[in-house]
Amino acid sequence: ETGVTQSPTHLIKTRGQQVTLRCSSQSGHNTVSWYQQALGQGPQFIFQYYREEENGRGNFPPRFSGLQFPNYSSELNVNALELDDSALYLCASSRDLGREQYFGPGTRLTVT
Amino acid sequence: EDQVTQSPEALRLQEGESSSLNCSYTVSGLRGLFWYRQDPGKGPEFLFTLYSAGEEKEKERLKATLTKKESFLHITAPKPEDSATYLCAVQVTRGSARQLTFGSGTQLTVLP
Repeated sequence: ETGVTQSPTHLIKTRGQQVTLRCSSQSGHNTVSWYQQALGQGPQFIFQYYREEENGRGNFPPRFSGLQFPNYSSELNVNALELDDSALYLCASSRDLGREQYFGPGTRLTVT
Repeated sequence: EDQVTQSPEALRLQEGESSSLNCSYTVSGLRGLFWYRQDPGKGPEFLFTLYSAGEEKEKERLKATLTKKESFLHITAPKPEDSATYLCAVQVTRGSARQLTFGSGTQLTVLP
């Protein structure tokens, strides 16, 4: 069984640019959540997608947006990048709402 | 506001020296408490889910317990390969989403 995969592994962008991060959920999982993890901190919830619909969002501005596709893979888009957006972005999938979430390896984003 | 506090922030143990990590929480409507292990530069790895006070789960040298206000992760006779950051998270319902709120983690180092 293939686990959660994310791409790219690392990314360097300039302030003001836009970025798209991708996530393939684990087979049989219909729920995807995205998290931002700053160095030395726990992950912070960005938003969650359930059966292609966004069904919850944390305290992140609208320039953070996402999509979930019919195969339950997902994208995270960030517009107008700021230096503080530099972090590890984690995607997690679960079999259904409320079930344990399995994390991918993350994408390390650096904004200069 | 949901709060999760982990202590200690860092813990150094000799191989074989048992200890406990603490996770205290203040949430409304707890839907579950999760423990994860995270190695440097990687995504969190799921360990346990606890749903109700008094519940206990075990896996190899790890045992997780839950009360109404806190959870403990007991590590018995740890080995160097147990070195990692251990994260706890509470799951709450926000709108339609099942959101995980994480603590900042306990960085465990087990010395040979």
